[in-house]
Amino acid sequence: AQRVTQPEKLLSVFKGAPVELKCNYSYSGSPELFWYVQYSRQRLQLLLRHISRESIKGFTADLNKGETSFHLKKPFAQEEDSAMYYCALSANTGNQFYFGTGTSLTVIP
Amino acid sequence: AAGVIQSPRHLIKEKRETATLKCYPIPRHDTVYWYQQGPGQDPQFLISFYEKMQSDKGSIPDRFSAQQFSDYHSELNMSSLELGDSALYFCASSPSTDLQETQYFGPGTRLLVL
Repeated sequence: AQRVTQPEKLLSVFKGAPVELKCNYSYSGSPELFWYVQYSRQRLQLLLRHISRESIKGFTADLNKGETSFHLKKPFAQEEDSAMYYCALSANTGNQFYFGTGTSLTVIP
Repeated sequence: AAGVIQSPRHLIKEKRETATLKCYPIPRHDTVYWYQQGPGQDPQFLISFYEKMQSDKGSIPDRFSAQQFSDYHSELNMSSLELGDSALYFCASSPSTDLQETQYFGPGTRLLVL
């Protein structure tokens, strides 16, 4: 069963516009949720994790247990935000880890 | 659709032993990435290969080596295992023809070193 779903494979927004990358998960326990970013031809990097509740590069994500979602948001997109974004879920104290299929974000100048 | 296959799914070794983890990418994917995730930690990038050549290197210990074969599968060889090597090892693959360079992740190999 697909644990992490990212419904949008491609997303384009104009510079300065708000952006939201959707992530829904399926897990009955208390998972940890993460967002990872991969800039062109670079390695995967951790962007943020829900338990730290921090904002990185202007991005935030709130875990909504009722909707089982962990959408990534940024109020004003920048060109350097263009990248591939992966939502991930860690379950059973890290024994299981699931990645979504990724969303490619393009910020248009 | 075929996904990334990792073998074995679980492995138990003792200190100072060796282990070999295998990753079979999705057909026609020519790039493979290896990640290590320790208990309660975030995945750490180890190494990647493109067309059988090492393309990037991360925090891979000298005790580890990896290679990609002609059929694009990759093997991570781990020697002189230490307790701290206990982790979940992920492999991901991607096709170089994908402009987005989407990485498709395998289910991971859980290594326990006793």
